Amino acid sequence: EVQLVESGGGLVQPGGSLRLSCAASGFSFSNYWMHWVRQVPGKGLVWVSRINTDGSSTSYADSVKGRFTISRDNAKNTLYLQMNSLRVEDTAVYYCTKGGATVLDNWGQGTLVTVSS
Amino acid sequence: QSALTQPRSVSGSPGQSVTISCTGTSSDVGGYNYVSWYQQHPGKAPKLMIYDVSKRPSGVPDRFSGSKSGNTASLTISGLQAEDEADYYCCSFVGSYTFDFGGGTKLTVL
Repeated sequence: EVQLVESGGGLVQPGGSLRLSCAASGFSFSNYWMHWVRQVPGKGLVWVSRINTDGSSTSYADSVKGRFTISRDNAKNTLYLQMNSLRVEDTAVYYCTKGGATVLDNWGQGTLVTVSS
Repeated sequence: QSALTQPRSVSGSPGQSVTISCTGTSSDVGGYNYVSWYQQHPGKAPKLMIYDVSKRPSGVPDRFSGSKSGNTASLTISGLQAEDEADYYCCSFVGSYTFDFGGGTKLTVL
């Protein structure tokens, strides 16, 4: 069974940093692209970032480009999202998702990030 | 404002069929056959229901079907059941390995 467990969310002040982690199990992690998607509570889904299987290629939404960095450790079956220069509008539940180049097929339960002074 | 346009809500009675539309442009929905649909119950993570416009993952009932015409994709749910009541989101590949989502549609089973 595919399991994706996010951690690292919490309360941070504007301008601060946070690193999210996603522990993956139940599948061959190194064979799949991974993504982060976020959702403001009560609002819609927004794709944030993706990384290919070996970490050599990444993409970002314009809203986070230059501030967020996606990475992975295939030896630890773990996906990361380093978030710097956080803004109030980055407040959301962040989901880790397994997928490919064109689909997001399994989702974690999410971790809440709150940016507030 | 989301890049893909969905109706905010749709409704239907048990046993009926409903269709949710997802309108984009030639740069997203119309340009690729990589539209997917996700179901999200309150407080839960989204679940993949349709991918590559019309393919169903294993375990998704065949009451769920997808299609596309031009810049508009559609999700049809036939034989509505109470457990289908949820939010539904479309998603399109938009090139450079990035994605756009629709704003979501709340399905109410009357």
